[in-house]
Amino acid sequence: SQQGEEDPQALSIQEGENATMNCSYKTSINNLQWYRQNSGRGLVHLILIRSNEREKHSGRLRVTLDTSKKSSSLLITASRAADTASYFCATDNYGQNFVFGPGTRLSVLP
Amino acid sequence: DAGVTQSPTHLIKTRGQQVTLRCSPKSGHDTVSWYQQALGQGPQFIFQYYEEEERQRGNFPDRFSGHQFPNYSSELNVNALLLGDSALYLCASTGAPKNYGYTFGSGTRLTVV
Repeated sequence: SQQGEEDPQALSIQEGENATMNCSYKTSINNLQWYRQNSGRGLVHLILIRSNEREKHSGRLRVTLDTSKKSSSLLITASRAADTASYFCATDNYGQNFVFGPGTRLSVLP
Repeated sequence: DAGVTQSPTHLIKTRGQQVTLRCSPKSGHDTVSWYQQALGQGPQFIFQYYEEEERQRGNFPDRFSGHQFPNYSSELNVNALLLGDSALYLCASTGAPKNYGYTFGSGTRLTVV
């Protein structure tokens, strides 16, 4: 069974707009990570947020974590066409394997 | 610095055959995990290897087996292929400390006909 569930399943925005994706999970975690995948290729690690952190930034990416609600969000600001990809959250359940959700497919239109 | 290398990139096999996929982890990484990703789905964990032993296993049948070599490279073997085994197979490596995230290879696209 999947631990993380991304929402929405698909998102279409105009270039320059912000994109927000959410992830919910079920059990306690050590950390949560976000990955990007372009057209069925390998996944690229974007950002990791630990369970004792609430917010983290990396360039145009902002990740929040709310452990009380068991949820995380990924915000991509000033989106570009190159941001078009599938985005996955993955949870690290204290040494267990990382569990991925089904992903959010983001389309950034020029 | 080479990342994770997987071979082959694409493969077509007939139902009932056996297949071996290969993975070389990123330099300095000692743990290798394998994932299966069906079209439009998230990656599903198959198993993880560390110190040449299977450390964890997902919900996959015994037809899926693996191996890790002393140089940390790994193989994924699938016997008695089914049509449903058609997927992108991803290898990911990580090193110490383990909570820095995985480095993924570009995957092997397996098609079973």
